[in-house]
Amino acid sequence: DTEVTQTPKHLVMGMTNKKSLKCEQHMGHRAMYWYKQKAKKPPELMFVYSYEKLSINESVPSRFSPECPNSSLLNLHLHALQPEDSALYLCASSQVPLWQKQETQYFGPGTRLLVL
Amino acid sequence: SQKIEQNSEALNIQEGKTATLTCNYTNYSPAYLQWYRQDPGRGPVFLLLIRENEKEKRKERLKVTFDTTLKQSLFHITASQPADSATYLCALFDSGTYKYIFGTGTRLKVLA
Repeated sequence: DTEVTQTPKHLVMGMTNKKSLKCEQHMGHRAMYWYKQKAKKPPELMFVYSYEKLSINESVPSRFSPECPNSSLLNLHLHALQPEDSALYLCASSQVPLWQKQETQYFGPGTRLLVL
Repeated sequence: SQKIEQNSEALNIQEGKTATLTCNYTNYSPAYLQWYRQDPGRGPVFLLLIRENEKEKRKERLKVTFDTTLKQSLFHITASQPADSATYLCALFDSGTYKYIFGTGTRLKVLA
């Protein structure tokens, strides 16, 4: 099983809402990632969890809050978002963190988020 | 400044021809470089990885070259098919900053 799943597929939320994005993998990977991708732009790294601990936060605003409840799950909690946060949010995983070994990332299908 | 540029935003070629996509980087020291395919509204799918000490890698109709002197990687699709139409992204891991960065992407369209 080389699949990374993400829910929901689509999400529309108001600027005062609180919502969460979920990501799951059952490949035994110990590194998981959140990316943000705007239309016709490359993915931009937001957060990296390695061995269930937050290793990298790419100066992401606090209205995005990641959580890694266990080695298979990764959440992204959203609160008080802005319209410019509308994007495709991608989750990825790799066997170990990319800085430990030359690794392939496996991406999920993404959650398309629209903030009104 | 540090950046990764891919040759053109869009590339159209005729079916059966070889598509050549370029990835140029400046001010990075990549330990390795990867190529991904991304279809609209989907996550990127890994295609090939090439290490800094490797010149060329092949996989079926795909070939990647890596020239650390020119700071460039080339990605070739031979005997291209309309099903190869997608956005292709290069990405590298910079051993200097420990960052993983994607290139700007090239939208390839193979015309039947």
